[in-house]
Amino acid sequence: RKEVEQDPGPFNVPEGATVAFNCTYSNSASQSFFWYRQDCRKEPKLLMSVYSSGNEDGRFTAQLNRASQYISLLIRDSKLSDSATYLCVVNRDTGRRALTFGSGTRLQVQP
Amino acid sequence: NAGVTQTPKFQVLKTGQSMTLQCAQDMNHNSMYWYRQDPGMGLRLIYYSASEGTTDKGEVPNGYNVSRLNKREFSLRLESAAPSQTSVYFCASKGQKGSNEQFFGPGTRLTVL
Repeated sequence: RKEVEQDPGPFNVPEGATVAFNCTYSNSASQSFFWYRQDCRKEPKLLMSVYSSGNEDGRFTAQLNRASQYISLLIRDSKLSDSATYLCVVNRDTGRRALTFGSGTRLQVQP
Repeated sequence: NAGVTQTPKFQVLKTGQSMTLQCAQDMNHNSMYWYRQDPGMGLRLIYYSASEGTTDKGEVPNGYNVSRLNKREFSLRLESAAPSQTSVYFCASKGQKGSNEQFFGPGTRLTVL
């Protein structure tokens, strides 16, 4: 079983739609959680961190459920420029160890 | 600031050839990482370096070696390339403790024939 699992998609949605991505992680010791965005043939970039109380950044809302080991990302009012792959990422400890990435969910926003 | 830079951007090797992927960052970060990305697999950690002079194995280190030449540079070497090492390789760096954001280079697309 993968440590971080995501629905690969693709999610094809019209402009203006609301879309939600889910992610589950297997290691209950995971301490930090993130969503990264990766455009086609580009490097991943941090979209937002995910906090226990949930957090919002403009049209993006991230939620964490530690009991269910579940992370979500909600995008409201989708734009064409939101088309990308969204990577769910966890950090098992605060030391040197690197991040553990999900394989990503591809979003295609259509005009 | 250039951020994280990687060379080369593309490379084709024959089985058994060797090569070194270069990575440099100008953000004065202590931690640096090498990942590989394969379709459907997500990014997997090959090696990392918590500080100058230290390196540690990640999830998939076999067939690779690394050198943390100084604080800025972290290179990845394939001594005898195999087709299974065909992948996109990303270098990343992370700032001070307390910040978990990693900054990635643009990647090296490697094909081993």
